[in-house]
Amino acid sequence: KQEVTQIPAALSVPEGENLVLNCSFTDSAIYNLQWFRQDPGKGLTSLLLIQSSQREQTSGRLNASLDKSSGRSTLYIAASQPGDSATYLCAVRSRSNDYKLSFGAGTTVTVRA
Amino acid sequence: KAGVTQTPRYLIKTRGQQVTLSCSPISGHRSVSWYQQTPGQGLQFLFEYFSETQRNKGNFPGRFSGRQFSNSRSEMNVSTLELGDSALYLCASSPGSANTEAFFGQGTRLTVV
Repeated sequence: KQEVTQIPAALSVPEGENLVLNCSFTDSAIYNLQWFRQDPGKGLTSLLLIQSSQREQTSGRLNASLDKSSGRSTLYIAASQPGDSATYLCAVRSRSNDYKLSFGAGTTVTVRA
Repeated sequence: KAGVTQTPRYLIKTRGQQVTLSCSPISGHRSVSWYQQTPGQGLQFLFEYFSETQRNKGNFPGRFSGRQFSNSRSEMNVSTLELGDSALYLCASSPGSANTEAFFGQGTRLTVV
């Protein structure tokens, strides 16, 4: 069964600093990994999708890397802004979990102005 | 292109009642998954429907049920509501194959009193 862990649970940084969010998973036989953002009381917004054959994906200030062999993904957010304050979740889709999305508990980010 | 639409956005129900939540996926998407999100348990998978058939089911009691219509819209029903059913219910839409991106709605906030 796939287990997904996100550390740290919370992070507070001053505006302008780069953010590094970590996600680890136990079963490396994944189809893809997806990063989401969630604002309080709202739904999930898809940020990046990385297929199992890819090493990284980029969108604007966001860059996500994937290392299947070590079961890790990292989301980098460059030059953070107060508007980046949110909870970031990673989710993995794998055969061992019947292709369902397995979610981590999330990292709550606060960017201080 | 319209996103995933969940209705209603907010619901208040009394213990013992039943409730029906609705999810309209992105046009052309055939898979709809439902998740329950609570502060203590995080995101928990309820079930997935694909082409009107339940393809996957999580570990929830039989009080939780769902269905999908021929236009891919899905409904989720919870009978005999309990206080612990208070949560944010999220639905996700995807084309259906394992390597595709999932898109979430804004959720339905259910409060059971």
